[in-house]
Amino acid sequence: EIVLTQSPGTLSLSPGERATLSCRASQSVSSTCLVWYQQQPGQAPRLLIYGASTRATGIPDRFSGSGSGTDFTLTISRLEPEDFAVYYCQQFESSPPGTFGGGTKVEIK
Amino acid sequence: QVQLVESGGGAVQPGRSLRLSCAASGFTFRNYGMHWVRQAPGKGLEWVAIISSDGSSRDHTDTVRGRFTISRDNSRNTLYLQINSLRAEDTAVYYCAREEVQWLAGYYYYALDVWGQGTTVIVSS
Repeated sequence: EIVLTQSPGTLSLSPGERATLSCRASQSVSSTCLVWYQQQPGQAPRLLIYGASTRATGIPDRFSGSGSGTDFTLTISRLEPEDFAVYYCQQFESSPPGTFGGGTKVEIK
Repeated sequence: QVQLVESGGGAVQPGRSLRLSCAASGFTFRNYGMHWVRQAPGKGLEWVAIISSDGSSRDHTDTVRGRFTISRDNSRNTLYLQINSLRAEDTAVYYCAREEVQWLAGYYYYALDVWGQGTTVIVSS
């Protein structure tokens, strides 16, 4: 089973700052199988990035994904007030198909 | 519009059973694999189960295997999760989600692109 470890657990930043979130896999994950989601309090998750680097429909270009193998990164270039949320990575590489990382909370400093 | 609506959650005693439903609309349900994901209070997302588009293949996470069963009725555009022998640790919001698979430039890309609003299960005596 592939374990995804996200860091940091919490990121305290101010609006306008850059956020860099990490997702590390216990085994290699194909880029096509790595996904990022955003979850606001009390809401369902929303698809942000698939294929490690492709933005989903309607996602602003301040969100970008990168990485390969075991190390993946989600970057938010300039934080907007609506970007303060929890972010999860997910893998579809191997069984069980769909395990999530523990999440990174981006909070207002 | 494309929509998933869960139902069937509630407060139940340990050891009892529940069946969650997820009604799909706005897309051709039979063409998509479907997942259940849950989130315990104050915790992260936990993947629970997957079922193929035609229902012939399914898988469950180890922690629920033998107690939970995912199924679907493509004639009713509905996904189900049968939960037996409920435990306190099953308390969570349960989401259903659509699996989007794209074939692009020689590779398959995967994502859960549509989510329901969730249904809450509380297990307590």
